Amino acid sequence: SAVISQKPSRDICQRGTSLTIQCQVDSQVTMMFWYRQQPGQSLTLIATANQGSEATYESGFVIDKFPISRPNLTFSTLTVSNMSPEDSSIYLCSVVKSLAGGPNEQFFGPGTRLTVL
Amino acid sequence: KQEVTQIPAALSVPEGENLVLNCSFTDSAIYNLQWFRQDPGKGLTSLLLIQSSQREQTSGRLNASLDKSSGRSTLYIAASQPGDSATYLCAAFNAGNMLTFGGGTRLMVKP
Repeated sequence: SAVISQKPSRDICQRGTSLTIQCQVDSQVTMMFWYRQQPGQSLTLIATANQGSEATYESGFVIDKFPISRPNLTFSTLTVSNMSPEDSSIYLCSVVKSLAGGPNEQFFGPGTRLTVL
Repeated sequence: KQEVTQIPAALSVPEGENLVLNCSFTDSAIYNLQWFRQDPGKGLTSLLLIQSSQREQTSGRLNASLDKSSGRSTLYIAASQPGDSATYLCAAFNAGNMLTFGGGTRLMVKP
């Protein structure tokens, strides 16, 4: 499998500030994904982050609000900018890997639990 | 656009029962279907992955089936235990490595 770590695991932030979430993978991967999970909801894809190119954002998400960096094949960051209470969610990093020549499988980090006051 | 639906949204059962969680998807052109477990406030743990060419996968007390033609997958949990209490999510994997999630089934197994 892929071992994924995220920092911070949780944070409480003030309205109007920004938070950068880090995602580290134990092996090189082409595609990394950032998801948001609002309280009591399922996961929604924010963007796909490929190394060497700009992130591709899903409908309803924009780069100014959620800038993403992907400096290499094992690391990515997601920034939640100018936060409001509506941004309170769990943010999850994910990668796709094919294990031992098998099918593509998606693996998730432990998530970052963000509370905005 | 793929849409994934899970029924029921919540389920409470006594310990020891066998149970079935349902997942349906609208676009049958999937590469595979994954079932995940999520504990409160935590990330997702992959339970089972069924490739589009497969009918089922088994891991311990878990068995997942896939019927592409009808757009359905089920997760069968045998002899449920309190430790099985969690939210179970199914997700359909389409072209472009796009994963579409269902809303999840919140399972509570009572001792």
